Amino acid sequence: DAGVIQSPRHEVTEMGQEVTLRCKPISGHNSLFWYRQTMMRGLELLIYFNNNVPIDDSGMPEDRFSAKMPNASFSTLKIQPSEPRDSAVYFCASSRLLGYTFGSGTRLTVV
Amino acid sequence: GQQLNQSPQSMFIQEGEDVSMNCTSSSIFNTWLWYKQEPGEGPVLLIALYKAGELTSNGRLTAQFGITRKDSFLNISASIPSDVGIYFCAGHQTGANNLFFGTGTRLTVIP
Repeated sequence: DAGVIQSPRHEVTEMGQEVTLRCKPISGHNSLFWYRQTMMRGLELLIYFNNNVPIDDSGMPEDRFSAKMPNASFSTLKIQPSEPRDSAVYFCASSRLLGYTFGSGTRLTVV
Repeated sequence: GQQLNQSPQSMFIQEGEDVSMNCTSSSIFNTWLWYKQEPGEGPVLLIALYKAGELTSNGRLTAQFGITRKDSFLNISASIPSDVGIYFCAGHQTGANNLFFGTGTRLTVIP
């Protein structure tokens, strides 16, 4: 079991650029979650999917953020255009029941 | 979303000391979980509690599900330097698809 795999681990981009974060959940897990972590706000749930269907995206900050899950083994979180305040660590987690397994995160820096 | 408050926010303790932290909510949860996040990694599940009053141990860790179902406690005995990290509580409510995470307790162990 390779765990939840996120890429890239680090991303530095210029303001206004498009950023795409990727996640491969654990095989057999039917729920996938995207979180953002900052010092000020802690862990924030952005969006989650059940069986590849978005269930709750009320945590997505604004229209610049979008997430897709085209199949059970892949999800993306896209920010377009990116802004400095988007700088944070973005985590993907997957679960079959309640015990989430988190990836190692993508540290995004927008300059 | 639901607010889970953790205290203390941070702790600095001497190696070998015992640690206590707690998590409280104004809402009832039917499952409590405790996670640990080490620097540069995602949170990892430590303990899950499923019944009010339940006391569960995992090595030097002991967690309790509060009788009111609105709180939970985590104790670490004889702390060691590798206990350093951020500890998150998380709660699940019946009918919900996702977990609600606490604000975190940052633990520093001084050798």
